[in-house]
Amino acid sequence: EIVLTQSPGTLSLSPGERATLSCRASQSIISDYLAWYQQKPGQAPRLLIFGASSRATGIPDRFSGSGSGTDFTLTISRLEPEDFAVYYCQQYGSSPPGISFGPGTKVDV
Amino acid sequence: QLQLMESGGGVVQPGRSRRLSCEVSGFTFNSYGMHWVRQAPGKGLEWVAAIWYDGFNKFYSDSVKGRFTISRDNSKNTLYLQMNTLRAEDTAIYYCARDEGGYGAEFFPHWGQGTLVTVSS
Repeated sequence: EIVLTQSPGTLSLSPGERATLSCRASQSIISDYLAWYQQKPGQAPRLLIFGASSRATGIPDRFSGSGSGTDFTLTISRLEPEDFAVYYCQQYGSSPPGISFGPGTKVDV
Repeated sequence: QLQLMESGGGVVQPGRSRRLSCEVSGFTFNSYGMHWVRQAPGKGLEWVAAIWYDGFNKFYSDSVKGRFTISRDNSKNTLYLQMNTLRAEDTAIYYCARDEGGYGAEFFPHWGQGTLVTVSS
C-alpha cells in the first residue's frame, strides 16, 4: 500500500500570495497517477488535478501540478479568497486497485 | 446535468447494520466504476470501496473488509453500500464518487454531497 504524506499541515498565507503544497509517496507512483482535490467546509471534494499535472475541467490556470515518482507539488500562483480550503492528494492506478489519500493541507488566512 | 445523490444515513447503534444508496443521473452509469469514500468528523478522506462498471469486481479497504459490501443495480442507476457490524469508528460522512474509468482504479471527477452515518448507542 502506498502511503501519502502532505506538508505542511497548515499553510497560512494572504490573498495574492503563492501557495506551494507538497505530497510525498512512500514508493514511486506508476505513470504519475496522482490527483489533487480541494475541499471547502460542508462541501464535497472537487477534483483539481489528475495525472500529476493535468487540470480538470473548469479549473482556473492559477492551479498547477507538477512532480513525478514520489514527490509531487500543487501550486496556486496567486491565492484568491475562494482558494482558502483543505487540499488532498490521492494516488490511483495501482492494483487491485490501490487508492489512498494524503492527510491534507489546510490553506488559511 | 450530472448528479449523485446519497441517502440512507442516520444514527445507528453499534453492531447494527445500515444500507446506503447513491442514485445517479446525467451520465451512463453502467460505463463507470464507482466508489464510496468517507470522512470522519474533522478528519481527512478515506477510500472505502470500489466496484467495476459491471459489478464483476469489488475492492475494499482493510478497515471495512468483511463488514461492508458494495454493489450496484445498473437498471436503477444506483450504487449501494451495505454496512454490517457497525462500530463507533465508522461514524463519518459517506460520499459516493464516480471513477474516471470503468474499473474503479482512477481519480474521481464527480462526487455526491454525502450522507452522515453516526454510530452511537
